[in-house]
Amino acid sequence: NAGVTQTPKFRVLKTGQSMTLLCAQDMNHEYMYWYRQDPGMGLRLIHYSVGEGTTAKGEVPDGYNVSRLKKQNFLLGLESAAPSQTSVYFCASSRDSQETQYFGPGTRLLVL
Amino acid sequence: AQSVTQLGSHVSVSEGALVLLRCNYSSSVPPYLFWYVQYPNQGLQLLLKYTSAATLVKGINGFEAEFKKSETSFHLTKPSAHMSDAAEYFCAVSGGSNYKLTFGKGTLLTVNP
Repeated sequence: NAGVTQTPKFRVLKTGQSMTLLCAQDMNHEYMYWYRQDPGMGLRLIHYSVGEGTTAKGEVPDGYNVSRLKKQNFLLGLESAAPSQTSVYFCASSRDSQETQYFGPGTRLLVL
Repeated sequence: AQSVTQLGSHVSVSEGALVLLRCNYSSSVPPYLFWYVQYPNQGLQLLLKYTSAATLVKGINGFEAEFKKSETSFHLTKPSAHMSDAAEYFCAVSGGSNYKLTFGKGTLLTVNP
């Protein structure tokens, strides 16, 4: 039981490049989330999903897209990376909206 | 709307001293409240959560928190700090059918020998 895993762990991009972050969970959770963590800002919700095939915008969705084609996977895409997207990205999952969210180890992204 | 305020971005205590991390929340509905801990270069891990069953909630590693509705507070305490408690702590609130967990900005706890 791996919990929540994220790939890659670290990535460097040039401005304008694209990439996809992968989150996978093996707990059969319905809800999945993408957050970004910046110094002094706490965690801010980018997008979330309440089930396979559904996605919704969070607090800071601009510049990101997501997909939830399979229940266990939640992908975060950056179509044209900007330096402002330099951050640590965390994925989380939960059984329902009020239950504990389980977090992955994070992906550090540096956009030059 | 819901929000969380963590008082003090950095708290420093001596080993063996009381740990008190402050959290105040606002929520238009009865809230669920959480404390998460983040060790360096790791993800967040649940310490404890309040779901209206009992106002004093005990968590892992000797931490506990008390829900005080009149003060809209959910402060985290531990009687005796250990070096291994050094980490960043986040308070979070979730209310009603809102799917979102709103986090505070975090408090970095330093434990001095």
